[in-house]
Amino acid sequence: DTEVTQTPKHLVMGMTNKKSLKCEQHMGHRAMYWYKQKAKKPPELMFVYSYEKLSINESVPSRFSPECPNSSLLNLHLHALQPEDSALYLCASSHLQDQETQYFGPGTRLLVL
Amino acid sequence: QKEVEQDPGPLSVPEGAIVSLNCTYSNSAFQYFMWYRQYSRKGPELLMYTYSSGNKEDGRFTAQVDKSSKYISLFIRDSQPSDSATYLCAMSAPGANSKLTFGKGITLSVRP
Repeated sequence: DTEVTQTPKHLVMGMTNKKSLKCEQHMGHRAMYWYKQKAKKPPELMFVYSYEKLSINESVPSRFSPECPNSSLLNLHLHALQPEDSALYLCASSHLQDQETQYFGPGTRLLVL
Repeated sequence: QKEVEQDPGPLSVPEGAIVSLNCTYSNSAFQYFMWYRQYSRKGPELLMYTYSSGNKEDGRFTAQVDKSSKYISLFIRDSQPSDSATYLCAMSAPGANSKLTFGKGITLSVRP
């Protein structure tokens, strides 16, 4: 199983809503990542988890709150987002010793109204 | 100067053509070089991975790395309409917590 799954596929939310994005992998990877991708741009790293602990936070605003409940799951909690946060949110995973080969999920397309 | 520069697109070729996609970089610490393919409205898919300099071939795809020139290429032989996608180069340096640095991506269209 070389698949990273993400739910939901699409999400529309208002600026006062709270929602969560979910990511799951069963490849035994102990590094998991959140990226944000705007149209016609490359992915931008947001967070990295290593052994279920946050190891990199790329100065992301606190309205984005990551969580890694176990080695297979990664969540991104969203609260009080802005319209400019509308983007494709990608989850990825890799072996810790092999972080250059990351497997990406299909993404959640988020629209903030 | 950006760390990774990728040829701007878009690129349109007829079916069967040989396609050459290129990236240059400035960080000499980069040792790992990847090509990702991203179809519209999908996540990136790892296509090719090369460590240090040299060539790597996988079917119709060949990745080349020239560290002395800080230049990497992806060649696609006998291109097919199904190759139409955005191609992103990505690189990273060794070490814990190393991050991928992506090129901007180039959109390829292969015309039947």
